Amino acid sequence: SQTIHQWPATLVQPVGSPLSLECTVEGTSNPNLYWYRQAAGRGLQLLFYSVGIGQISSEVPQNLSASRPQDRQFILSSKKLLLSDSGFYLCAWSDTEPEAFFGQGTRLTVV
Amino acid sequence: AQSVTQLGSHVSVSEGALVLLRCNYSSSVPPYLFWYVQYPNQGLQLLLKYTTGATLVKGINGFEAEFKKSETSFHLTKPSAHMSDAAEYFCAVGLHGSGNTGKLIFGQGTTLQVKP
Repeated sequence: SQTIHQWPATLVQPVGSPLSLECTVEGTSNPNLYWYRQAAGRGLQLLFYSVGIGQISSEVPQNLSASRPQDRQFILSSKKLLLSDSGFYLCAWSDTEPEAFFGQGTRLTVV
Repeated sequence: AQSVTQLGSHVSVSEGALVLLRCNYSSSVPPYLFWYVQYPNQGLQLLLKYTTGATLVKGINGFEAEFKKSETSFHLTKPSAHMSDAAEYFCAVGLHGSGNTGKLIFGQGTTLQVKP
């Protein structure tokens, strides 16, 4: 069966520091991969998606970037964090079915 | 453009009572529809989905939802609430097409409180 791993679970970072969140999927090949963000009191917003290695599409302009160096690895990064980057970040994957399967999330607090 | 509206950010029911969480969507084409549940500080778990066929879909934990095209609704119900149902629930829509799998538009979420 497929599993998705996301780490770290929680992160507190100062403003201006870099960020790297990692997500890996097991048990499937060539999945579509996604980064969603859930801000406090709001729904989920799709940030990035990838249909293959090195292929990244951004849904919203922002201070973040994403990379897919391997088939089942998806990384969310920032060079300099802003206070507004705080939130709950969720990695997800999909294949031929329309639904997305989510990781456990990373709670990011920028201070 | 697609959008999702969940009516009521907070719903409170007594244990054993009917659960009804409302979701309306806007889409120019028939969408895929989903309900997800999120427990505190955890990811989202798929409760149920509607793609095609029968408009009444059953999911995990005794939940079900009915797709009503004429009302553009996909309300979530459960006949009898359990304390373990307390969580946040998200309605979402997705588009058809292989390039759109997993790209979902979510509602704002509804927090379900279950009182003993």
